[in-house]
Amino acid sequence: QKEVEQNSGPLSVPEGAIASLNCTYSDRGSQSFFWYRQYSGKSPELIMSIYSNGDKEDGRFTAQLNKASQYVSLLIRDSQPSDSATYLCAVPLPGNTDKLIFGTGTRLQVFP
Amino acid sequence: GAVVSQHPSRVICKSGTSVKIECRSLDFQATTMFWYRQFPKQSLMLMATSNEGSKATYEQGVEKDKFLINHASLTLSTLTVTSAHPEDSSFYICSANTHQETQYFGPGTRLLVL
Repeated sequence: QKEVEQNSGPLSVPEGAIASLNCTYSDRGSQSFFWYRQYSGKSPELIMSIYSNGDKEDGRFTAQLNKASQYVSLLIRDSQPSDSATYLCAVPLPGNTDKLIFGTGTRLQVFP
Repeated sequence: GAVVSQHPSRVICKSGTSVKIECRSLDFQATTMFWYRQFPKQSLMLMATSNEGSKATYEQGVEKDKFLINHASLTLSTLTVTSAHPEDSSFYICSANTHQETQYFGPGTRLLVL
């Protein structure tokens, strides 16, 4: 089992809809979780970090963490075409919190 | 806050030459920086971890003599691609850890070796 798994997509949603991006991880001891957005040809940009079970909201973005089920999700409300990008889930490497393990990313397409 | 810069943003060089890429944390001190490489439509690949004042730690399969890393200060790490060849053409991205162990990425350097 991969340490961080994401569906590669593409996930296509209409403008204005909620986009739901999911990520599962294998290390039960993971304490911090990150979502990055990467536009085509650009470097990743940090969107959200979450450390506790439950929801964390920041504008149109909500991160949801369920440690018991080992998944973390990112919801994007009122999706816009400008949200079209690849979303990367990242978790610290077990035993080395400096390094991050990245999922392969989910490509999101928001169509007008 | 937490801004990371890279220079140059784009470089074209001839095969056999060396290219140096700089990564700077502009508004924070980073004891740890990371160098990644990304080929088109592929995932980020961690190349090495750069620690201020000590030798870099390279990932398996990454040649340390080909990809020289120097982390001379708390705000600067450099990656030198030595004797570059066309297969080294890629998107090189650095990142830096804040004291909260959050990684912020630089804008990347696109290298084309002719």
